[in-house]
Amino acid sequence: AQSVTQLGSHVSVSEGALVLLRCNYSSSVPPYLFWYVQYPNQGLQLLLKYTSAATLVKGINGFEAEFKKSETSFHLTKPSAHMSDAAEYFCAVSDPGGYNKLIFGAGTRLAVHP
Amino acid sequence: DGGITQSPKYLFRKEGQNVTLSCEQNLNHDAMYWYRQDPGQGLRLIYYSQIVNDFQKGDIAEGYSVSREKKESFPLTVTSAQKNPTAFYLCASSKYGDGDTEAFFGQGTRLTVV
Repeated sequence: AQSVTQLGSHVSVSEGALVLLRCNYSSSVPPYLFWYVQYPNQGLQLLLKYTSAATLVKGINGFEAEFKKSETSFHLTKPSAHMSDAAEYFCAVSDPGGYNKLIFGAGTRLAVHP
Repeated sequence: DGGITQSPKYLFRKEGQNVTLSCEQNLNHDAMYWYRQDPGQGLRLIYYSQIVNDFQKGDIAEGYSVSREKKESFPLTVTSAQKNPTAFYLCASSKYGDGDTEAFFGQGTRLTVV
């Protein structure tokens, strides 16, 4: 069965510091991978997705993620954190042919302090 | 603007009551989904529908029911059989795809049992 593990339920960084949010997946076939962001009491917004093209994927708001098959990872990074990046981030996986059903990780809450 | 509208934003249910959460989309998407979000658990799939008049159970369908009579609408009923309904409910939609298309989310409905 597919699963997604996000290491660290809470991450805290200083403004201007590197953001690194970790995501590992398990899947029997090469998956499609997504990162979504959620602000308090709102829905989810897509940051970026991997669909077997380039392994380094660039998304919105300066975020990017690298698909590493050997490590079954899809970590999210941003070189310089901004206060507005404070939110909850979800990694998700779907199987090819899986009708876009998403399996989500538990989420990582990112805090950015001055 | 195209999007997904969920209503109401907040909903209170008494013990033993059925309540219905509304989800409407004007994105002309074929597929629609209902997810439940609990703190620290990410999102879990309740039901999904690929076409009108057809829907499938997700991972946690017990105590819930849905209908898909129109392409634009996918209401979720939380029945009295759902013993722990307090949660944040998110509706999503996507184009029909092979697992690689983006899901768009509504703003959510927060359901509380009183």
